[in-house]
Amino acid sequence: DVKVTQSSRYLVKRTGEKVFLECVQDMDHENMFWYRQDPGLGLRLIYFSYDVKMKEKGDIPEGYSVSREKKERFSLILESASTNQTSMYLCASSPPPGTEAFFGQGTRLTVV
Amino acid sequence: AQRVTQPEKLLSVFKGAPVELKCNYSYSGSPELFWYVQYSRQRLQLLLRHISRESIKGFTADLNKGETSFHLKKPFAQEEDSAMYYCALSWGNYQLIWGAGTKLIIKP
Repeated sequence: DVKVTQSSRYLVKRTGEKVFLECVQDMDHENMFWYRQDPGLGLRLIYFSYDVKMKEKGDIPEGYSVSREKKERFSLILESASTNQTSMYLCASSPPPGTEAFFGQGTRLTVV
Repeated sequence: AQRVTQPEKLLSVFKGAPVELKCNYSYSGSPELFWYVQYSRQRLQLLLRHISRESIKGFTADLNKGETSFHLKKPFAQEEDSAMYYCALSWGNYQLIWGAGTKLIIKP
């Protein structure tokens, strides 16, 4: 059973804090993704990675960075959290392109 | 530009009634389309993909290239179908383009 695990289900952080969201997958997938999920906006891609140490910007990368030092782990970093980054964050992984993406359970981040 | 449109944010039908969740796309190449579902308090998961032409949980979806649509259908809705449904289009090497989602509510 494919598992994509996000380190936290709920987080509350203060404005200006540096925030780390961690994601681990156990299926040796090449591709990993970070999305924001907001009502009425669907899923918006923040960053993705197709290999270790490789990363590509998605649609809304501003205010975020990522790190992929190992194949199974993909971290999302909010350099200086702001209230407009309050959202549900979803991590996903997938094998070759055009195939199924597997999602983590999500991290609901609240920035106060 | 590639785009996926789900025109309904909310769809409410009675149990036993037919369900159709609409999805339209714009893409110049050969599309690969998916429906994903997110039940309450569960993770987002694949429901079905057009290339497999299968029926999952009674749902089917047919790709209509002429109308650029990939509507999700079920003849008789069940209460457990209540969920958030997303249509997605795969293009290029890595990208999935997502619709805004439709919340389906099945009334008893």
